[in-house]
Amino acid sequence: GQQLNQSPQSMFIQEGEDVSMNCTSSSIFNTWLWYKQDPGEGPVLLIALYKAGELTSNGRLTAQFGITRKDSFLNISASIPSDVGIYFCAGRVNTGNQFYFGTGTSLTVIP
Amino acid sequence: GAGVSQSPRYKVAKRGQDVALRCDPISGHVSLFWYQQALGQGPEFLTYFQNEAQLDKSGLPSDRFFAERPEGSVSTLKIQRTQQEDSAVYLCASSLAGREFNEQFFGPGTRLTVL
Repeated sequence: GQQLNQSPQSMFIQEGEDVSMNCTSSSIFNTWLWYKQDPGEGPVLLIALYKAGELTSNGRLTAQFGITRKDSFLNISASIPSDVGIYFCAGRVNTGNQFYFGTGTSLTVIP
Repeated sequence: GAGVSQSPRYKVAKRGQDVALRCDPISGHVSLFWYQQALGQGPEFLTYFQNEAQLDKSGLPSDRFFAERPEGSVSTLKIQRTQQEDSAVYLCASSLAGREFNEQFFGPGTRLTVL
């Protein structure tokens, strides 16, 4: 199956700092998605990307669909304590119904 | 509520027992997905329904896993003769059709522990 690798695996940052994380795939995707998961809950969709090169923002979050279609990036500006959680990327090819999730990036924000 | 609900939230089974996990999707969502999430990992696709039709079950790990959605709304994931390696969180997600197919809403999951 498809392999999605996320980096870094974990991050410990001070409140107010900016955060960058990325996701790479061994295959081309037509759709990239970014989710946040809190303990004991299901993932919550943050941003959806549909076109190579697309840059989309949702509040303090900005995500980009890589030009090669094999990667995507998520940035969080001015982090706050409620940003704590695990961030997952997910990708899909248009011809399939499956969404492939990454390995996750665990974010800890130190007040 | 308006979100996806799952029950039970926690299930402990002895090895060899059968279990049934329920998912109530958002009303009107034609697409329904089941995922398995092992500890410390991302969700892994199990199966997909469009209304009552199971269009993709390629992610089901063995023939002990069975899913149904007979009326195109509530879905049940059944695991027969549970094994320890089945211990995981089982997530259900639903979405609309078209571009919104991609925008899945997840339930809180059922944490299954097989002893």
